[in-house]
Amino acid sequence: GQNIDQPTEMTATEGAIVQINCTYQTSGFNGLFWYQQHAGEAPTFLSYNVLDGLEEKGRFSSFLSRSKGYSYLLLKELQMKDSASYLCAVRHTSNTGKLIFGQGTTLQVKP
Amino acid sequence: DSGVTQTPKHLITATGQRVTLRCSPRSGDLSVYWYQQSLDQGLQFLIQYYNGEERAKGNILERFSAQQFPDLHSELNLSSLELGDSALYFCASSSDGQETQYFGPGTRLLVL
Repeated sequence: GQNIDQPTEMTATEGAIVQINCTYQTSGFNGLFWYQQHAGEAPTFLSYNVLDGLEEKGRFSSFLSRSKGYSYLLLKELQMKDSASYLCAVRHTSNTGKLIFGQGTTLQVKP
Repeated sequence: DSGVTQTPKHLITATGQRVTLRCSPRSGDLSVYWYQQSLDQGLQFLIQYYNGEERAKGNILERFSAQQFPDLHSELNLSSLELGDSALYFCASSSDGQETQYFGPGTRLLVL
């Protein structure tokens, strides 16, 4: 089966750092994506990992460990506009683009 | 703005009806994906087309069908609508069949 787990909700303070974890058990794996989604809006691409290690992009970093079926998204210097849902998605195989999404983590940033 | 367009933005219809959702991919993208997002299910993959051909299928109901036209736009047809079909329907596109997917603004369907 396919299973992707993320915490449902998290709260953090403006200016702080937050780590959102994602664990996955899927029958195939060809990369892991993180998307940000504000309520009622389209998911927007944040990061992509296919090899183990850390990918850094400005205030956002994403880490992958394929042997552990684990990824995290790190958000630094949190801003109020970072309040959103963060979606972890696994690309299932190498010959299709099918993404399997977790339920998402709703992050609330407080002043 | 991702460059992916979807119409209509909102759609209200009755049970038993049929609707068509339209998607235009980003310029140059060959692959189109359809996803359904309901409150209790999260984002669910429905179907992928690549350059006019079906590439992958998810848990798409038999009442739903899709196609990709020669100009690469895609349509998702939903028939015999049920209350449970109420959801946000997103289209995404990518340059080929595997690269990063960019999502359109979605169509919010409400079945009454």
